Amino acid sequence: GESVGLHLPTLSVQEGDNSIINCAYSNSASDYFIWYKQESGKGPQFIIDIRSNMDKRQGQRVTVLLNKTVKHLSLQIAATQPGDSAVYFCAESHSGNTPLVFGKGTRLSVIA
Amino acid sequence: DAGVTQSPTHLIKTRGQQVTLRCSPKSGHDTVSWYQQALGQGPQFIFQYYEEEERQRGNFPDRFSGHQFPNYSSELNVNALLLGDSALYLCASRQGGNYGYTFGSGTRLTVV
Repeated sequence: GESVGLHLPTLSVQEGDNSIINCAYSNSASDYFIWYKQESGKGPQFIIDIRSNMDKRQGQRVTVLLNKTVKHLSLQIAATQPGDSAVYFCAESHSGNTPLVFGKGTRLSVIA
Repeated sequence: DAGVTQSPTHLIKTRGQQVTLRCSPKSGHDTVSWYQQALGQGPQFIFQYYEEEERQRGNFPDRFSGHQFPNYSSELNVNALLLGDSALYLCASRQGGNYGYTFGSGTRLTVV
């Protein structure tokens, strides 16, 4: 079936550096994408979303880039902080009506 | 404003038993979805409830059933528990046609 996957299972970055987490999706009909952050013992927390009519969207310290040509999604975190350490998931949906399909996740470790 | 609340937070059951997990959606939200998250994996969609009816279902056996009440709260029932049902069960809610889901912290179910 259709799936969303991640290129890197783990990522270690120095505090203050920028982080980039990548995600590939296979359903060309997907038009809505979300990044979630999940800390240990907690549920996924919304970070940022983007619809397929956009290539880029910025939030506070985070940017999501969408490349529909190669079905690739990335999350950029500026000036990574220890509090950013968590597992990050991308998820996709079609028209917001289909269930969110999650990838396996990338663990981000911030080295102080 | 309380977010999505789930109970209990942790639960230990024996194989073959039945379990009921509960979820109260975020205020103003009317759609509830349930996800199963195995250790080290992304959440997997179980089913979605809207207007007290199951609207969509993932690839889970009939042992998994649910209910939504008039106040939008929801229950997830699992019968004849298997060891493989051990996971974090997440409830997520959203309002009507909005795309984004808010997740609860989950119920950690351990089947022994």
